[in-house]
Amino acid sequence: GAGVSQTPSNKVTEKGKYVELRCDPISGHTALYWYRQSLGQGPEFLIYFQGTGAADDSGLPNDRFFAVRPEGSVSTLKIQRTERGDSAVYLCASSPQGRTEAFFGQGTRLTVV
Amino acid sequence: QQQVKQSPQSLIVQKGGIPIINCAYENTAFDYFPWYQQFPGKGPALLIAIRPDVSEKKEGRFTISFNKSAKQFSLHIMDSQPGDSATYFCAARPSGNTPLVFGKGTRLSVIA
Repeated sequence: GAGVSQTPSNKVTEKGKYVELRCDPISGHTALYWYRQSLGQGPEFLIYFQGTGAADDSGLPNDRFFAVRPEGSVSTLKIQRTERGDSAVYLCASSPQGRTEAFFGQGTRLTVV
Repeated sequence: QQQVKQSPQSLIVQKGGIPIINCAYENTAFDYFPWYQQFPGKGPALLIAIRPDVSEKKEGRFTISFNKSAKQFSLHIMDSQPGDSATYFCAARPSGNTPLVFGKGTRLSVIA
């Protein structure tokens, strides 16, 4: 079956602009995670959804970052007033209910110029 | 505070060698320990995982060794091949669907 799909693959935006990154999880997976990966680093947790609600958003760096998952499937990560320091690969992962395995998408490479 | 410490940062081995990557953790609530493989431009792919009730798990050429008392676990790659050249991440989390905590990664190069 299809894996986790993230769009766009690459996004270049100007400093101060607003961006939306989309994640389409594996069908039926109830848990969805957003991570951020800087060059040469491991993924860092941002936010986790169980169904439609954000179960843990403690990793969001500041209030410019927001994520939604209105119907418990697709999720959108929204970044306002982008800064050059937001440049990174944004990864999405999903897990089935009651299972620990997490499956990642290919990521969205965000570059803020 | 880094919850999962991974070493070495990079590793070069000859084809057929056995690279070993090590991770240590502090949180005794962790009970799931996966390893991910990541190629450039791709997302991390789940390779193998272990729970603390066993000391070793093998899947093909990949083996995890787990030492609960020392709070350490390691990945061994048997008969390594150039196609294994990638970045490897260890991770950990408590039970359930809570988020994974990742190590910083090890860049492995297998040379022919």
